[in-house]
Amino acid sequence: EAGVAQSPRYKIIEKRQSVAFWCNPISGHATLYWYQQILGQGPKLLIQFQNNGVVDDSQLPKDRFSAERLKGVDSTLKIQPAKLEDSAVYLCASRKPGRMNTEAFFGQGTRLTVV
Amino acid sequence: DAKTTQPPSMDCAEGRAANLPCNHSTISGNEYVYWYRQIHSQGPQYIIHGLKNNETNEMASLIITEDRKSSTLILPHATLRDTAVYYCIVRVAIQGAQKLVFGQGTRLTINP
Repeated sequence: EAGVAQSPRYKIIEKRQSVAFWCNPISGHATLYWYQQILGQGPKLLIQFQNNGVVDDSQLPKDRFSAERLKGVDSTLKIQPAKLEDSAVYLCASRKPGRMNTEAFFGQGTRLTVV
Repeated sequence: DAKTTQPPSMDCAEGRAANLPCNHSTISGNEYVYWYRQIHSQGPQYIIHGLKNNETNEMASLIITEDRKSSTLILPHATLRDTAVYYCIVRVAIQGAQKLVFGQGTRLTINP
């Protein structure tokens, strides 16, 4: 079974620039998560999708971050404009729906450096 | 959200059992306890989960106390490759969606 694919693996941008990350979840996984992990901290949930609908975006900084999940499959996370404090690893995860006790599978993440 | 408390770091000798504790005193009756680990520069990896009963798989064992307020992850024969940050998570349901909330985790170092 193919895992969660993310690209790019690394990205360096200047502050005030825009950036986008892409995630392809495991086939058939209706639930998709985006996490932000700052160095030395645990992952922080930014947004959660069920199919193409948002079920939780309470911690997404909506003035600069946006995410979409077209047709309930691939997802993109965008930052516009980026700030220095956005430097982090952005992790995508997916999970099968419908059961209480299924695990989430994570991608390798995209490491963003804002200079 | 149910919160978890873990020691920030632990050491264990290679070949010995590593026992990682977790407190989750505010857990609700239908909330599962999950364990993930994160090896440097990789995404978190699922290890095991449980509700009430002790669980065992090829990676680890999970011991949950009878009152469900704490649990212990056991790696029976730790190897150097088990060096990682281990996260204990109580999965909560928010508006019908299952939400994984990570804490700071325990940095486990396996020493040769």
